[in-house]
Amino acid sequence: DGGITQSPKYLFRKEGQNVTLSCEQNLNHDAMYWYRQDPGQGLRLIYYSQIVNDFQKGDIAEGYSVSREKKESFPLTVTSAQKNPTAFYLCASSSGQGGMTPLHFGNGTRLTVT
Amino acid sequence: GENVEQHPSTLSVQEGDSAVIKCTYSDSASNYFPWYKQELGKRPQLIIDIRSNVGEKKDQRIAVTLNKTAKHFSLHITETQPEDSAVYFCAASSRNRDDKIIFGKGTRLHILP
Repeated sequence: DGGITQSPKYLFRKEGQNVTLSCEQNLNHDAMYWYRQDPGQGLRLIYYSQIVNDFQKGDIAEGYSVSREKKESFPLTVTSAQKNPTAFYLCASSSGQGGMTPLHFGNGTRLTVT
Repeated sequence: GENVEQHPSTLSVQEGDSAVIKCTYSDSASNYFPWYKQELGKRPQLIIDIRSNVGEKKDQRIAVTLNKTAKHFSLHITETQPEDSAVYFCAASSRNRDDKIIFGKGTRLHILP
């Protein structure tokens, strides 16, 4: 369904632990994105990648890291340096073309850190 | 960098009436403006988009208008139905910003029976 898969749907972690969120797509898209969604804040860009082995920081990259070793995969690590990690995380992909094409979103991962 | 402002944050309309959501952007180089709908507990999905060489685009009950001079664009939903209840996000991107897509904060639309 949809061609872009995020796992797990719910994730619980203790404060101080790093955690990695998975995002896989089979749409053959070049560009992939990670957004964070908080109530009343919309979708804020964490990191994005236009091509394998390359990625750029978004507006709220502090405390996060990513890798893009394969075209179909763009995992996000939430590190212990992220001060408020509890949120809903959305991964998306697009065919690129300078941001002129629609985003396809995954179903999201809800992360709770206590 | 680009900033996208979206208003209102919440909108309630009577079923059958029209709804209008407005967005403004700051970067005059922005040239692609999509709108996404997110139903409760689901992923955002594209409902309509417009490029800067077009002033208006319609798809059945949904239309988007773009005023490049004023740097604002709007979503219009006519003959609203209960299934239109959702959160709507506008976004803007520019070829100059290397695929970076910036979203507004969203509008929660309630369709009243």
